[in-house]
Order: sequence, then structure tokens, then C-alpha cells
Amino acid sequence: GAGVSQSPSNKVTEKGKDVELRCDPISGHTALYWYRQRLGQGLEFLIYFQGNSAPDKSGLPSDRFSAERTGESVSTLTIQRTQQEDSAVYLCASSTLGGENIQYFGAGTRLSVL
Amino acid sequence: AQRVTQPEKLLSVFKGAPVELKCNYSYSGSPELFWYVQYSRQRLQLLLRHISRESIKGFTADLNKGETSFHLKKPFAQEEDSAMYYCALSRDNYGQNFVFGPGTRLSVLP
Repeated sequence: GAGVSQSPSNKVTEKGKDVELRCDPISGHTALYWYRQRLGQGLEFLIYFQGNSAPDKSGLPSDRFSAERTGESVSTLTIQRTQQEDSAVYLCASSTLGGENIQYFGAGTRLSVL
Repeated sequence: AQRVTQPEKLLSVFKGAPVELKCNYSYSGSPELFWYVQYSRQRLQLLLRHISRESIKGFTADLNKGETSFHLKKPFAQEEDSAMYYCALSRDNYGQNFVFGPGTRLSVLP
């Protein structure tokens, strides 16, 4: 596709339920990043993929958060037993490694936990 | 660990006035610095990066290693510049440890 695609664009869930957020990066982009953006706040780094492996998971806020990537393409971010403080916009970005080093962002998934 | 600070959460200027959005970083190596911008209802996108040394939409930013700063400047602000601006640092050109600052919301008043 032309850009980074994220789905769903909006997700409303009840506290305690699990959610899966999807990111389709730009074809050929080896690096993939997940960020969280709470209302009125900046970007919070969650996890970074190089290919299918995640050398940096330091930003995941708790063990309820996990992410995987397959085929050096699609990535899913899973939040188990959601809490109200998980409500935020979750952004995905992809980039090439070396060379350009520019991140291209998706439109984000707005998660609301009731 | 690397860190990026943007001291102003909100900056308001009048149209035609100069604008400077401050960014300071801490990193012992040679980082790559970026400015990203998010206009209302649009995606976060790259504005400029220090290694390209170009002016985008009238904005420039100079990396000052002595002061560890990468301030974004524009001599004459326009209303369409109103947006959220993020300063970001990459530890190397392999994209690891990409760190964003907290962001500054620029409001250009008519």
C-alpha cells in the first residue's frame, strides 16, 4: 500500500477484555515501531521490531502488553485485561534500516476502555 | 540513556512573528535529530532532519552539539503552521532507540 495502515481506527472495549491492534507497514520497511499517545501528552515508545524480532521491548508498560510481527510485515499489539488507563491512541510507524532512517506513521488506533 | 526535552508545552505567537521551538537532548554519542509535525486531523510526519540541512516550509533547525540543542526556527509564522511539533533523536541510522520529546503545541494567532 501507499502508507502505513492501522486497524481498527477506533476501538471501544470494556475493562478486562483483550484487544488486538493491527499495523501494516510500508512494503519493504524492515523496522516497525509502536507508540502510545495519551490525550494531551507526547509519544511514548512501546516496542521496536527489526525484521520479526524485537530487540527493544523496554517501553512495554506491563506484562499485559505484547506484540508480534510475522513475515517482516504485519504486526499486532495485544493488550490483555484492558484497564481504563490503557485508553490512548496507539501509533505504528515503519522505516527502512540504515540510509533514510525516517519513520512513516499510520493514522493510529484510538482505544477507549470503558 | 538518551533523552529529548522540549520545555514549552504550548507556544502562541502572532502571524508574521518569528517562532522558535526549543529542543535539547542528552546523548553521549553522535545522534541523528529530527523534527516531526502533526497537523490537526493528520498523521504525524517528518518535517526535517539535521543531516539534510534543508529548509522545509520556511523552517530550519541547526544542530548545536556544544549546547546539545536542535531548536526549530521560522522567521515569519503563518496560521497554517499551527500544529504539534515533536523533536526526536535516533541513536544511529539503524533506527534503534528512537526517542521523541514530549511535544510543543504551536498556535499561530491571526
